[in-house]
Amino acid sequence: RKEVEQDPGPFNVPEGATVAFNCTYSNSASQSFFWYRQDCRKEPKLLMSVYSSGNEDGRFTAQLNRASQYISLLIRDSKLSDSATYLCVVRGGSYIPTFGRGTSLIVHP
Amino acid sequence: ETGVTQSPTHLIKTRGQQVTLRCSSQSGHNTVSWYQQALGQGPQFIFQYYREEENGRGNFPPRFSGLQFPNYSSELNVNALELDDSALYLCASSLQVPGSGELFFGEGSRLTVL
Repeated sequence: RKEVEQDPGPFNVPEGATVAFNCTYSNSASQSFFWYRQDCRKEPKLLMSVYSSGNEDGRFTAQLNRASQYISLLIRDSKLSDSATYLCVVRGGSYIPTFGRGTSLIVHP
Repeated sequence: ETGVTQSPTHLIKTRGQQVTLRCSSQSGHNTVSWYQQALGQGPQFIFQYYREEENGRGNFPPRFSGLQFPNYSSELNVNALELDDSALYLCASSLQVPGSGELFFGEGSRLTVL
């Protein structure tokens, strides 16, 4: 089993739709969780950290479920500019990050 | 602007050759990590340096080696290149502080091995 698993997609959604991605992780000792966004042929950039209580940043909501060992990202009112690959990242106590393979999102008009 | 710069941006090598990739960290960051990203995959952790010492390594053979310098810049060296080494190599800098996590990536070095 991979340490961090994501559905690669692509998720094809119309503008204005709500879309959700999940990411599961295998190491129950994992301590910190993030979503990164990567545009085509560009470097990953932090979208948001994921906190135990859940957190929201505008149209984006991230949640952590430690019992089931998954994190989620919800995007509301999708924009064309949200088209990208969304990478789930999990870190343990050694600060070493493990990336999922990413979920591709395509938002169409 | 992340402040992390990598060089070269693109390079082509042949099997068996050696390559050195360079990374300048963002100002104030004491940790640098390197990743290999194959097409359609997420970045795979190669190793991490904290204050010039390697303090974490992923599942990569010893022909992948690195250095971090006193100014926190870094090099990734790959010996005896193989075709499968063709990938985007990303460098990221960060502050190794408990609870901190943000990685600031450079634009990467795209290596093609023929």
